[in-house]
Amino acid sequence: DAGVIQSPRHEVTEMGQEVTLRCKPISGHNSLFWYRQTMMRGLELLIYFNNNVPIDDSGMPEDRFSAKMPNASFSTLKIQPSEPRDSAVYFCASRQTPTGAVQPQHFGDGTRLSIL
Amino acid sequence: GIQVEQSPPDLILQEGANSTLRCNFSDSVNNLQWFHQNPWGQLINLFYIPSGTKQNGRLSATTVATERYSLLYISSSQTTDSGVYFCASSSYGNKLVFGAGTILRVKS
Repeated sequence: DAGVIQSPRHEVTEMGQEVTLRCKPISGHNSLFWYRQTMMRGLELLIYFNNNVPIDDSGMPEDRFSAKMPNASFSTLKIQPSEPRDSAVYFCASRQTPTGAVQPQHFGDGTRLSIL
Repeated sequence: GIQVEQSPPDLILQEGANSTLRCNFSDSVNNLQWFHQNPWGQLINLFYIPSGTKQNGRLSATTVATERYSLLYISSSQTTDSGVYFCASSSYGNKLVFGAGTILRVKS
């Protein structure tokens, strides 16, 4: 079975440019999560969706960040305009969330983002 | 929110040695996962273990939910076990909170 698929794997761009990260969750999973990993702050949750609806975006650092999930098989995380401090590895994870139960989250391979 | 602490922060082992990594969490949890981040940066699911004991080959994990800790055991360590081990948990919600990790280096 295919896991969580993220693209691109690496992105290098100049400060001020728009960056779009993409994620395809595991088929049948109805929860999707975006995380960011930095040396200073470790792994932290940015936003998550249940059934394509954003539930908690309290981890989104500022208005330059936005995330969408137009359908059950696709999500984007956008940064506009990008800044050097946004350089990090961004992970997407998905999970099947049946009513009344908790299942493990499965992570993609991440996107390594460098803003020059 | 929930706090997750891991120990030790780093560990150097000789190949073939055994080790125990610890994860303490500050609240009741409904989800606890152990991950291995390999040198390529991939987060590999090791265990989903909110309670009880599980084993997978040379690795095993135990979570004592009532005492708010989990242990990851690595036996007969190999150089390919090197990397960072993360514990992550959530407390009656969806937000996984990660510990700072244990950096493991296995020397041949």
